[in-house]
Amino acid sequence: NAGVTQTPKFRILKIGQSMTLQCTQDMNHNYMYWYRQDPGMGLKLIYYSVGAGITDKGEVPNGYNVSRSTTEDFPLRLELAAPSQTSVYFCASSYSEGAPGYTFGSGTRLTVV
Amino acid sequence: RKEVEQDPGPFNVPEGATVAFNCTYSNSASQSFFWYRQDCRKEPKLLMSVYSSGNEDGRFTAQLNRASQYISLLIRDSKLSDSATYLCVVNSPDYKLSFGAGTTVTVRA
Repeated sequence: NAGVTQTPKFRILKIGQSMTLQCTQDMNHNYMYWYRQDPGMGLKLIYYSVGAGITDKGEVPNGYNVSRSTTEDFPLRLELAAPSQTSVYFCASSYSEGAPGYTFGSGTRLTVV
Repeated sequence: RKEVEQDPGPFNVPEGATVAFNCTYSNSASQSFFWYRQDCRKEPKLLMSVYSSGNEDGRFTAQLNRASQYISLLIRDSKLSDSATYLCVVNSPDYKLSFGAGTTVTVRA
């Protein structure tokens, strides 16, 4: 039982490059989330999805895009990387919105230089 | 004002000690409260939910004070393995979870 799988674990990008952070879950959860965590700060919600084909902005969506073509996958796209996007990105899923037991992936550490 | 605020610590305690810390939340309409644990460079994991009457899970006790809008976590008989960052999590009015920045606890031998 893999849970939530994120790839890659680490990445260094140059300013202006683009990339996709992958997230896959095998628990048949409808709800999926992307968070970023900066040092000394709480997790900030970037985007979320309540089911295949439905996505919505969170607290800090600027500079990111998402899609949800299947229940399992929720990729996060950075189009024009900026130093401000240097962070640790966590994908999470849950069986319902606000459920206590969010399952998180192991994270992607992204550095933009 | 942040939705969820925590004392970042660190709280350095010897094994066997009791350590307690609080978290305040800004929205009085919040309904659900949780403590998550995050080990260094790892993902957060649910430690326990916090119920209105307070609740225990082994050596961990959580309390909720709605009047003063804070929740607390107490760890008894601390173990080395309790060293981690503890995240206070509150269900915001739109039913999404708001995370505090965390309180770091270090248990020394």
